[in-house]
Amino acid sequence: GENVEQHPSTLSVQEGDSAVIKCTYSDSASNYFPWYKQELGKRPQLIIDIRSNVGEKKDQRIAVTLNKTAKHFSLHITETQPEDSAVYFCAAPLSGGSYIPTFGRGTSLIVHP
Amino acid sequence: GAVVSQHPSRVICKSGTSVKIECRSLDFQATTMFWYRQFPKQSLMLMATSNEGSKATYEQGVEKDKFLINHASLTLSTLTVTSAHPEDSSFYICSARDPSGSDEQYFGPGTRLTVT
Repeated sequence: GENVEQHPSTLSVQEGDSAVIKCTYSDSASNYFPWYKQELGKRPQLIIDIRSNVGEKKDQRIAVTLNKTAKHFSLHITETQPEDSAVYFCAAPLSGGSYIPTFGRGTSLIVHP
Repeated sequence: GAVVSQHPSRVICKSGTSVKIECRSLDFQATTMFWYRQFPKQSLMLMATSNEGSKATYEQGVEKDKFLINHASLTLSTLTVTSAHPEDSSFYICSARDPSGSDEQYFGPGTRLTVT
């Protein structure tokens, strides 16, 4: 099955700093890569996604980069704010050609004011 | 965007009893829904894929006789935890795949199950 590895598991930054979270995947057929933000006790919220036909996508302070050759994609958050504190998950919902949602282990981001 | 609801949001039950959780797509038809379980400080673990009108596909290690899934209509999938035990206590989340065929998922708000 699909193996999605996510690093780091925890990330602590000062307000205003940048944060980068990286995921690697194994299925070369994967072509959709979402990032989710989950606050305690709530549902995951899609914050940005990228498809394999582009290498980078940006939405205000959030960006995602994709390297299909190396099979990794990264979430970049600039000018972090305390309200960015949450758990972030990547996903690569494809395994052996079938749509099987697979999530990374998650990164707990803490932004210190 | 599309809305998925879940009911109940919280439930407490006694060991040995069964609990049913409902997942509804409110403004679209969902032929495929997914059920996840999430333990504290862990990731979402896919339990099964629910397909309307056919049997669910369970992930390895998930007991299909314990976690009964029914997807009888295009807007409703149910998960029944049978003979619940304290170790079944968890956060259960459903999602529906975008009906247009894109890879996006729409998540329900989750159900917090506590088995005493």
